[in-house]
Amino acid sequence: QKEVEQNSGPLSVPEGAIASLNCTYSDRGSQSFFWYRQYSGKSPELIMSIYSNGDKEDGRFTAQLNKASQYVSLLIRDSQPSDSATYLCAGNSGGGADGLTFGKGTHLIIQP
Amino acid sequence: DADVTQTPRNRITKTGKRIMLECSQTKGHDRMYWYRQDPGLGLRLIYYSFDVKDINKGEISDGYSVSRQAQAKFSLSLESAIPNQTALYFCATSLRVADTQYFGPGTRLTVL
Repeated sequence: QKEVEQNSGPLSVPEGAIASLNCTYSDRGSQSFFWYRQYSGKSPELIMSIYSNGDKEDGRFTAQLNKASQYVSLLIRDSQPSDSATYLCAGNSGGGADGLTFGKGTHLIIQP
Repeated sequence: DADVTQTPRNRITKTGKRIMLECSQTKGHDRMYWYRQDPGLGLRLIYYSFDVKDINKGEISDGYSVSRQAQAKFSLSLESAIPNQTALYFCATSLRVADTQYFGPGTRLTVL
């Protein structure tokens, strides 16, 4: 069973601080990883994608991938109250199959 | 603007009824997906399609069927709805395998 694991939270972070979200995955065949943000009752919105080991930065967001440890993370710098949402980690299905395997999400709360 | 749309946005039905959820996209993507989301269980893949001639089962296809009428249209049917199919249903599209998926706004389905 291919799994993506996340701590469900809630993770509470003061405004202006760094929020750190983590994810592990079981399928070594996964090549692509994604972080989606989802507000309650809304659809997932892509924040970052990462395909190679190392860091990828986009504005206040940095994604990190470590394939040897099967670990993906998302850092949010200068956290804002509007960042309060559920963050979904996802990896593609390896072995030629399609679709994404999602974690259950981490609920992030940014405290003003 | 290119988009993924879903109809209906909300639906309440009774056990045993046949229900069809529709998805349309103007992104020009060949790949389309249906997911369901349940509280505490995350997003799970129901079916996916690479093109109009290709349909594939996902993790939880039992009780569901799909039709890919055209590149832009992918429908999900519940032949005989049951209460545990109450969930939030999302359609998604992508350009390539293992690539970013773009989600529609979702359909909230309640089966009484």
